Amino acid sequence: DGGITQSPKYLFRKEGQNVTLSCEQNLNHDAMYWYRQDPGQGLRLIYYSQIVNDFQKGDIAEGYSVSREKKESFPLTVTSAQKNPTAFYLCASSIGPSGQGYGYTFGSGTRLTVV
Amino acid sequence: AQTVTQSQPEMSVQEAETVTLSCTYDTSESDYYLFWYKQPPSRQMILVIRQEAYKQQNATENRFSVNFQKAAKSFSLKISDSQLGDAAMYFCANSTTGANSKLTFGKGITLSVRP
Repeated sequence: DGGITQSPKYLFRKEGQNVTLSCEQNLNHDAMYWYRQDPGQGLRLIYYSQIVNDFQKGDIAEGYSVSREKKESFPLTVTSAQKNPTAFYLCASSIGPSGQGYGYTFGSGTRLTVV
Repeated sequence: AQTVTQSQPEMSVQEAETVTLSCTYDTSESDYYLFWYKQPPSRQMILVIRQEAYKQQNATENRFSVNFQKAAKSFSLKISDSQLGDAAMYFCANSTTGANSKLTFGKGITLSVRP
């Protein structure tokens, strides 16, 4: 079955460490996205990529980095510069600009906690 | 810039009754899409219904329907014959078209269903 796989489901980070969240899709979608979810804040866009080897900052990109070396993969690194990284992170994909009307397919999320 | 506003953080409905969730949005685009997503306790995001802005007819999906008022920039979700499984957080979202299109979410509303 096609879908989006996020791993790990739970992640613990010590202060000052960088951590990488994995997102893989086998839907042959061109576009991929990272959102952060905090209680009462909805989903806020961190980074997105419409095509391989290209990505753009979203609304809250500071302290995060991404890469898009393969169509299937869009890993998110939470760096030590991110002051408040504890949150639920959702990865999503879509067909691309021509298919925006179909909405996004989401992964099951990663819960990151700073300890 | 796009904004999506969900002003009610919580709502409650009796099982088998009807409930309406409100959403307003702001966009300068003439062509865009609107969505309602459901996030149950599993935190998996599920697309409930979508509306194309150029279509005047309100979208329906079984027990779910929308009231799309383009001039007022309003996009409410009506759930008929509410079921216990409808209890979840519901997010309204707006997407433009074009090369850098992305989905902007409201803060969500938590719906509880009373048996």
